[in-house]
This record gives sequence, C-alpha cells and structure tokens, in this order.
Amino acid sequence: DAGVIQSPRHEVTEMGQEVTLRCKPISGHDYLFWYRQTMMRGLELLIYFNNNVPIDDSGMPEDRFSAKMPNASFSTLKIQPSEPRDSAVYFCASSLTDVTNGFSNTEAFFGQGTRLTVV
Amino acid sequence: KQEVTQIPAALSVPEGENLVLNCSFTDSAIYNLQWFRQDPGKGLTSLLLIQSSQREQTSGRLNASLDKSSGRSTLYIAASQPGDSATYLCAVTSLSGGSYIPTFGRGTSLIVHP
Repeated sequence: DAGVIQSPRHEVTEMGQEVTLRCKPISGHDYLFWYRQTMMRGLELLIYFNNNVPIDDSGMPEDRFSAKMPNASFSTLKIQPSEPRDSAVYFCASSLTDVTNGFSNTEAFFGQGTRLTVV
Repeated sequence: KQEVTQIPAALSVPEGENLVLNCSFTDSAIYNLQWFRQDPGKGLTSLLLIQSSQREQTSGRLNASLDKSSGRSTLYIAASQPGDSATYLCAVTSLSGGSYIPTFGRGTSLIVHP
C-alpha cells in the first residue's frame, strides 16, 4: 500500500474562496482522522470517522469547516469561505482497530499533509 | 479529556550525546503510545509504538519506555547524530466515546550539532 495519500500538497488561495482537501486512507483501515497543525496550537484533532461515519466533529473550529467520507477510500475536508487564520498544515491519518487479546493495536499512519495558505 | 505534555519543548546537543525526551499524559487508561518524528515541512513518521501491556520498545538507537501507572513515557536516543535533528511528537491513544483517538503533545524540537 502507498500509505495515506493527501492532495494537494500545497494550496494557496485568496480569502473567501472555497478550499477542498482530499485524503485517501490506507486500504482496509476503519478509522480516518483529520488534524490541523499550527505553531500556536500544535496538532489538533478536527474530526474523525469510523467506518465512513463521522463520530466526533467537536474539534471543527467553525461552521465554515465540513468533512465528508463518501466511501472507505476517500475523504474531503472543505473550508468555505476560507480566511487567513485557516492557514496551517492539515493532516489526514488512518488506523485499523485490531483488538487482540483485549488490547487494541491502533497504530496511526499519517499522510504528508496539505500546507494551506490563505492570503 | 486526555492531555499530553512533552518536555523539553526544545533541545540542542552536540553530536554523540545520549538524550532523553519526555512525554506525560493525564489519563492512564491508554491503549498505546506512539513516538513520531517530523522533519521541517514534512509529515509524521512513526518511530515506535508501545502497546499498553508493554514496558518498552527498541529500534536501532531509539528506545521508548512506558510507565502507564505514572502517565509517563521517555524516548531515549543513543549516540545522537545531526541527522536526528527534527521534532519528536508523542501521541497517546485512548478510548473516547467508544473510539480510539490519538492525542498529541506539542513536541520536542531537537537540534544535534556537529
């Protein structure tokens, strides 16, 4: 497997424009996470899905942010309208829940991230 | 809510030194702990994964220990090299609302100078 694939790697857009970030998780993984990384706040969990269903979006900063996972191999994070303070690196990660002998082997694998700059 | 703290925030050492990075977490009911490396402008690379039932994991010059009861983990880097310069992140996976969620510390920025 090629790992978690994110696109685009870099995105520069003007304030007010719609931005769509894309993620392809590792095949067979049942969890997908979207994180945002900034110097001020580090890595923050925005939303996560389990078996394509959004479970917790309490980390989404505002209603301008939305995420979907239409199938097991694709997810999007959309910002509409974008603002300069949304500038950050956005990471997608996936993991497989494998509960063996009562313990969960949930190693998370990360994509290379999308560096978003809103001007 | 799980909170993860990493100390120190930054570290600068001469090549060849052995060093220890610290990670602490508030909720000891964890499932595993991962150490990641992040190079500037790059993604996260998983270094070591310690299951909750384990005490330590080793990979080459890296050794990670876990003391779940005290809420601590350390990453030991032996004979540091300039190529080890990066940010090291600790992530703790805990059960939250029926799901396994990784929570990250802010990281330790390491510089190893020749």
